[in-house]
Amino acid sequence: QVHLVQSGAEVKKPGASVKVSCKVSGYTLTELSMHWVRQAAGKGLEWMGGFHPEDGETIYAQKFQGRVTMTEDTSTDTAYMELSSLRSEDTAVYYCASPQLRIHVFDIWGQGTMVTVSS
Amino acid sequence: SYVLTQPPSVSVAPGQTARIPCGGNNIGSKSVHWYQQKPGQAPVLVVYDDSDRPSGIPERFSGSNSGNTATLTISRVEAGDEADYYCQVWDTSSDHCVFGTGTKVTVL
Repeated sequence: QVHLVQSGAEVKKPGASVKVSCKVSGYTLTELSMHWVRQAAGKGLEWMGGFHPEDGETIYAQKFQGRVTMTEDTSTDTAYMELSSLRSEDTAVYYCASPQLRIHVFDIWGQGTMVTVSS
Repeated sequence: SYVLTQPPSVSVAPGQTARIPCGGNNIGSKSVHWYQQKPGQAPVLVVYDDSDRPSGIPERFSGSNSGNTATLTISRVEAGDEADYYCQVWDTSSDHCVFGTGTKVTVL
């Protein structure tokens, strides 16, 4: 059974960067296509980007282009999402999620990582 | 960009049927997936490809999709079904994932 375990909560100042990790167990990272979704308090789910196996590239939502970087370390089966130039509006829970059933369907989710941006 | 619209809230009595619409331009031509999210928890997939259920999801959860509206139906609603529900599609024109605005289901 696949599990995604994320790193702990972070508190950052405006302008800083944050790097959230997502460790895969039960599978290898290369067997999955990791995506990242965030959710501000009381708000909906917002897709940030993810690996697109059809062309082998990572796709970023236009809103985050230039500010987000998603990487993978296959030696440790860990995916990372780094968001830079943080502002208060980036305060949210960040989830890693992956399709296992079939492409573009997120049936596996991490537990979420709370990122707070505050001066 | 593609937009999915859901009503903010739906209320239903226990034992009755809840229907949650998800509107989008010609959404019937896309595969729609539905997630349930309870407070403080990660989302859980309850329906994929319009009407299929992952293993472990009760048959009370079903879906349909036609024209400009996809619908998640919860039959014989239970107190434990109280949650936020989100529809989702993959927009092939932009190669982006799109989530609906979310619907809070309240069991009266």
